[in-house]
Amino acid sequence: QKEVEQDPGPLSVPEGAIVSLNCTYSNSAFQYFMWYRQYSRKGPELLMYTYSSGNKEDGRFTAQVDKSSKYISLFIRDSQPSDSATYLCAAPIAGGGADGLTFGKGTHLIIQP
Amino acid sequence: DVKVTQSSRYLVKRTGEKVFLECVQDMDHENMFWYRQDPGLGLRLIYFSYDVKMKEKGDIPEGYSVSREKKERFSLILESASTNQTSMYLCASSLNGGRSTREFFGPGTRLTVL
Repeated sequence: QKEVEQDPGPLSVPEGAIVSLNCTYSNSAFQYFMWYRQYSRKGPELLMYTYSSGNKEDGRFTAQVDKSSKYISLFIRDSQPSDSATYLCAAPIAGGGADGLTFGKGTHLIIQP
Repeated sequence: DVKVTQSSRYLVKRTGEKVFLECVQDMDHENMFWYRQDPGLGLRLIYFSYDVKMKEKGDIPEGYSVSREKKERFSLILESASTNQTSMYLCASSLNGGRSTREFFGPGTRLTVL
């Protein structure tokens, strides 16, 4: 079992909808989590990071961690066609992150104009 | 902005060839990483390095080696390329220390081994 699990989708929603992207994790020692966005044929870019509980908001994006259920979410408000991409959740392999990240497989999101 | 560059965007090699993938970062980051990304498998860590001349195995190091002679440069070497090494290769770097080490990725090299 991978330490971070993610539904690969695709997830297709109309423009303007609220999008909910989710991951589950199995390692209770994870201290923080990241969301990366990856456009086709590009490298992942860091979108948000959040510590092990609570919410973090940045513009139209909100990252949420529920430590009790080991559940990570990314919400996108007022979704735009430019949000169409693959979204990857990640956690550091060891506490400080210097040993690399373990990634979910990514959810492919399509925003229909 | 952090810049991580990779020497090639697309590469085609033959089975048995020795392949070098180069990565350079310009932000004086201590940590550098090589991942490969495959459909249905996601990103998997091949090797990483904390410092010059240091290297550590990731989840899937078999068939690969690395070299870090300078802080800004991290090379991935396929000693004898095989078709199952056809993949997207991603380099990343991060700064040391703190609770929130963030990795910055290069654009990737799509390697095809024939």
